[in-house]
Amino acid sequence: DAGVTQSPTHLIKTRGQQVTLRCSPISGHKSVSWYQQVLGQGPQFIFQYYEKEERGRGNFPDRFSARQFPNYSSELNVNALLLGDSALYLCASSPRLAGGSPDTQYFGPGTRLTVL
Amino acid sequence: GQQLNQSPQSMFIQEGEDVSMNCTSSSIFNTWLWYKQDPGEGPVLLIALYKAGELTSNGRLTAQFGITRKDSFLNISASIPSDVGIYFCAGLNYGGSQGNLIFGKGTKLSVKP
Repeated sequence: DAGVTQSPTHLIKTRGQQVTLRCSPISGHKSVSWYQQVLGQGPQFIFQYYEKEERGRGNFPDRFSARQFPNYSSELNVNALLLGDSALYLCASSPRLAGGSPDTQYFGPGTRLTVL
Repeated sequence: GQQLNQSPQSMFIQEGEDVSMNCTSSSIFNTWLWYKQDPGEGPVLLIALYKAGELTSNGRLTAQFGITRKDSFLNISASIPSDVGIYFCAGLNYGGSQGNLIFGKGTKLSVKP
């Protein structure tokens, strides 16, 4: 079975531009989460979606937005890019929302975003 | 953002040595997860722990969920060169409407020169 897939693998943008990152979860998984990982740090939580609804949001500005589609794939959008947005953006999928029973998140390979 | 205290930050290993790392938190968690990340890749799940006191093995890896639910450790026995990488602990709470992972800063395993 395919794991979590993300596209593109690498992206270079300039300050002020907008970017869209894409994620397809493991087949049968309904929950998708997005994380930002800057060099030398652990991943930081951005969003969680379940059944197309936002179920959690981390401490990120409104320039960050996301959505989940009926097939459970997801997009992360970042507007008005800043140099500090340069990072590895990770998508994780889980079978169900971690809201009442044990759950485990599986990560994709990430999208490396560089903002110049 | 909130992070777990993971130690050591880095360590050097010689093939055949046992390795130990741990993670502590000021908050309790319902789930502890251990991941390994290679350069330029996403984290790969190694072990998941769901119950306080639980001890779980995956090949040469053993991890435990602390009784207080505020800590966890990971041991690697008889290390081999492919164990090199960055290991992350992550805590997860379920029981509300959201379930985001809180990560440590990682333990970097390198080969002794």
